[in-house]
Amino acid sequence: AQSVTQPDIHITVSEGASLELRCNYSYGATPYLFWYVQSPGQGLQLLLKYFSGDTLVQGIKGFEAEFKRSQSSFNLRKPSVHWSDAAEYFCAVGAQGGSYIPTFGRGTSLIVHP
Amino acid sequence: DTGVSQDPRHKITKRGQNVTFRCDPISEHNRLYWYRQTLGQGPEFLTYFQNEAQLEKSRLLSDRFSAERPKGSFSTLEIQRTEQGDSAMYLCASRAAARLGEAFFGQGTRLTVV
Repeated sequence: AQSVTQPDIHITVSEGASLELRCNYSYGATPYLFWYVQSPGQGLQLLLKYFSGDTLVQGIKGFEAEFKRSQSSFNLRKPSVHWSDAAEYFCAVGAQGGSYIPTFGRGTSLIVHP
Repeated sequence: DTGVSQDPRHKITKRGQNVTFRCDPISEHNRLYWYRQTLGQGPEFLTYFQNEAQLEKSRLLSDRFSAERPKGSFSTLEIQRTEQGDSAMYLCASRAAARLGEAFFGQGTRLTVV
């Protein structure tokens, strides 16, 4: 069964600082990997996804993530955080083939200090 | 607005009552998912439809829960004899068949059982 671990429940950064949110997955083959963001009162929005090919993927809002098979990781990064980035971030893994049903991590809450 | 629409946005009900939620997916999306999200947790998969066929159901979906998607368009999720533990955000997502990973989420229905 696939699973996702987001080891950090909360991350606090200063506005303008760089950001890295950690995600580790468990899956027997190469998975589909995703990062979603959820702002208060809003639905989940897809930031970026990895299916195959280039292991560094670019997403919306200046985010990027790197797939590292050897570490079973898919960490999310942003070089300079804006106050509007404060939100809940979820990493998800989906099995290739079949129904593709994303399994989500518990999320990391990003707090941005001015 | 062509996004995923969920109704109602909020529902307060007394324990033991039945509730029904509705999800209207993006019109050309034939895949539809229901998730449940509790405070401090990531979304947990409940069930999945391909057109009108319910192809996957989580063990979380007890016999008090039922979901339908008549005609492969909108979907309903019914909870019978609600319990306080059913209090959660219920999320609906849809995607097009060929767009793996690009699931679009609605804003959810927040259920409070008192």
